[in-house]
Amino acid sequence: QVQLRESGPGLVKPSETLSLTCTVSGGSISDYYWVWVRQPAGRGLEWIGRVYPSGTTTYNPSLKSRVTMSADTSRNQISLRLGSVTAADTAVYYCARDDFFSGLAGYYYGMAVWGQGTTVTVSS
Amino acid sequence: DIQMTQSPSSLSASVGDRVTVTCRASQSISSYLNWYQQKPGKAPQLLIYAASSLQSGVPSRFSGSGSGTDFTLTISSLQPEDFATYYCQHSYSGPPMYTFGQGTKLQIK
Repeated sequence: QVQLRESGPGLVKPSETLSLTCTVSGGSISDYYWVWVRQPAGRGLEWIGRVYPSGTTTYNPSLKSRVTMSADTSRNQISLRLGSVTAADTAVYYCARDDFFSGLAGYYYGMAVWGQGTTVTVSS
Repeated sequence: DIQMTQSPSSLSASVGDRVTVTCRASQSISSYLNWYQQKPGKAPQLLIYAASSLQSGVPSRFSGSGSGTDFTLTISSLQPEDFATYYCQHSYSGPPMYTFGQGTKLQIK
């Protein structure tokens, strides 16, 4: 079955760029949207954005100026870059596969496969 | 942007109880509504998509209903493993993001 694993530095300095990678095993990234979600400790989930391997991206407007997502089909990886980080960006970061379902009224998306998450702390 | 509001924020219940969680969208999202369960230290798990379709492998005691702006997640008979936090999320394609509700923490009474 498909497995996702997030990786990257656990500590990032303020004003620097957070870079994370999601490695997908057991399946190709080619036919799905891939999502990044984050969760500060003790708080709710925040949708950061999603990327399709063709390069199509959609970002949370509140983060759009600082976020870049990309996909590398040769490595079967998804990447997240978040610039100019502050302590408010400290969170567990998850990657997930946005699965596609057909229904009576159309087509629907839902995040059916998730990585275990990786904790990123922004601190000097 | 579409805002998603869940109620209640927390809920205490006993094993065997029937429990309902509500999610309201700030504008109509048809049936583009998902429900997730999250246990402490774990990634969320998709329970329901398209407002009422049960994700594969999810027990049938979970059900979803609603369309437009008002949605519910119902657990027909609570089991010990159901004590967790539940999130709704819209997947309506109009706006540029798929907002989550703030979560409902289901605790043991």
